[in-house]
Amino acid sequence: GDSVTQMEGPVTLSEEAFLTINCTYTATGYPSLFWYVQYPGEGLQLLLKATKADDKGCNKGFEATFRKETTSFHLEKGSVQVSDSAVYFCALTPNQAGTALIFGKGTTLSVSS
Amino acid sequence: DTAVSQTPKYLVTQMGNDKSIKCEQNLGHDTMYWYKQDSKKFLKIMFSYNNKELIINETVPNRFSPKSPDKAHLNLHINSLELGDSAVYFCASSQETGITIYFGEGSWLTVV
Repeated sequence: GDSVTQMEGPVTLSEEAFLTINCTYTATGYPSLFWYVQYPGEGLQLLLKATKADDKGCNKGFEATFRKETTSFHLEKGSVQVSDSAVYFCALTPNQAGTALIFGKGTTLSVSS
Repeated sequence: DTAVSQTPKYLVTQMGNDKSIKCEQNLGHDTMYWYKQDSKKFLKIMFSYNNKELIINETVPNRFSPKSPDKAHLNLHINSLELGDSAVYFCASSQETGITIYFGEGSWLTVV
């Protein structure tokens, strides 16, 4: 079945460092891809999304490109801040009736000043 | 205005009790979901309803029963709570299956 694999965490960075969190997927149809973020003690927030191949999702300085050829949707940010410390989830939806979001296991990011 | 709201946010209860978590969305969406997040932060779908009809029912113990009185509400009732039920439960909604899903803030359930 469809699945999402994320890099293991935790990822520890200094403020202003470059961030990459790898995400690859397996899907039989035409999925949409998402990144969600969960700040400590809070719920899930949609960070960005891409609905078809070559789409780039952007939000709050984060970006990710839906690459069908490498089945990837890596999350990047040029300069992280302490306030970016959170758990990041890559997810896909198969876009088929009777299905729901499939999540990766989450990557914890810790940014220090 | 909160788009997807769930109550209570925190719930501590004893083993064997029966409890409910309520969820409401004011987005006009047709589909609602319950997800469970375990202690390792892993998120897994439990149930999904579309226009009050159950469309996803993953391998979940019978002690968990969702109820959708109308398409804006999806409540989760749990009977005979066990220690392993301790988790964060997220309600969510979307306009259609496969479209962007919006989550509530979560309900932290602790069974003691």
